[in-house]
Amino acid sequence: GENVEQHPSTLSVQEGDSAVIKCTYSDSASNYFPWYKQELGKRPQLIIDIRSNVGEKKDQRIAVTLNKTAKHFSLHITETQPEDSAVYFCAASVTNAGKSTFGDGTTLTVKP
Amino acid sequence: KAGVTQTPRYLIKTRGQQVTLSCSPISGHRSVSWYQQTPGQGLQFLFEYFSETQRNKGNFPGRFSGRQFSNSRSEMNVSTLELGDSALYLCASSLDIGSGNTIYFGEGSWLTVV
Repeated sequence: GENVEQHPSTLSVQEGDSAVIKCTYSDSASNYFPWYKQELGKRPQLIIDIRSNVGEKKDQRIAVTLNKTAKHFSLHITETQPEDSAVYFCAASVTNAGKSTFGDGTTLTVKP
Repeated sequence: KAGVTQTPRYLIKTRGQQVTLSCSPISGHRSVSWYQQTPGQGLQFLFEYFSETQRNKGNFPGRFSGRQFSNSRSEMNVSTLELGDSALYLCASSLDIGSGNTIYFGEGSWLTVV
């Protein structure tokens, strides 16, 4: 089955700096890669996603890049703010298989 | 449009008991999946249902089971509870089954086993 590895497990940055979280996946058939943000005590919420026919997608301060050859994708957050502090999960899903396989999460702390 | 609704939100059970958790998906969503989240752990996939049929199953013992009703609502059951079952159980729904369908999570049910 699919295996998703996420790094780093914890990340601390200064407000205004950039943060990068990386994920690798094992199944080359995976073609959908969402990122979720989970604030303390709340549900995971989709913040951005990318499909395999696209190499990069951007939404304001967040962007995701995908390298299908290397089977890895990354989340980039620029100009970080304290409210960006949360746990971020990457996921990969296999065509028509339904279920999403999640990484173990990255706890991002943005220091004011 | 109402989001994914899970009940109960919090519950405490004794070792050996059983528990049933309920999930109402977003209106129109036909796929429901369940995840277990423990402190410091990621999201562990339990199972996924579509059209009242279990389509995928994670690596959990048979004590964990679920079902989906004709209105897409879903329940999961854990029998013979163990202390290690204490976790946040998240339900998620999506429009359809298959890659590329965004999943939306409920607030979760916090289960404590004592």
